Amino acid sequence: DTGVSQDPRHKITKRGQNVTFRCDPISEHNRLYWYRQTLGQGPEFLTYFQNEAQLEKSRLLSDRFSAERPKGSFSTLEIQRTEQGDSAMYLCASSFPRVAEITDTQYFGPGTRLTVL
Amino acid sequence: ELKVEQNPLFLSMQEGKNYTIYCNYSTTSDRLYWYRQDPGKSLESLFVLLSNGAVKQEGRLMASLDTKARLSTLHITAAVHDLSATYFCAVGANRDDKIIFGKGTRLHILP
Repeated sequence: DTGVSQDPRHKITKRGQNVTFRCDPISEHNRLYWYRQTLGQGPEFLTYFQNEAQLEKSRLLSDRFSAERPKGSFSTLEIQRTEQGDSAMYLCASSFPRVAEITDTQYFGPGTRLTVL
Repeated sequence: ELKVEQNPLFLSMQEGKNYTIYCNYSTTSDRLYWYRQDPGKSLESLFVLLSNGAVKQEGRLMASLDTKARLSTLHITAAVHDLSATYFCAVGANRDDKIIFGKGTRLHILP
């Protein structure tokens, strides 16, 4: 399977704990995006990387959130001191740079569903 | 700030009928996407629209883009139950690589 993969698929944690999610993009894609989706809403942009550089962070990404992509391949999203409001589906997507229509589409992974008790 | 609005947010329709989902956006953009999401699943890319007047069709779904009106439509022809899902439109923020999603249209097709 050459699609975007995410791990774990489900995570249940207690409030105050730290969690880390991993995303492996499609191998030839150099852009990687993180989104958060809550029930009944569209995905909300969190941050994105081009290669290992983090180019933009949303205001939604509080100080408790940090994302890395150390070698320009997989990425991790860490949430420290989780709160119940962090419960959501965390989606990762990858794409080529915007140079041609067929390569511009963001391809999404299956997501990690986080439940904070 | 770019805002994306879809309507309707919920649509229940019978098999065999035609209907249209609308996507309005607030600022100019150079690209618009339609995605499908099944319950508990991730998003599947349906269409990418890059220019004014662009029209794309796949099976019973047809998407169009009017950049002057800042409007895209997703038209469903002779709906079948398998098309039941949530459909999202997403718009690219100019000079930026992020995309902003609408709230989605939850489509339920009754047999």
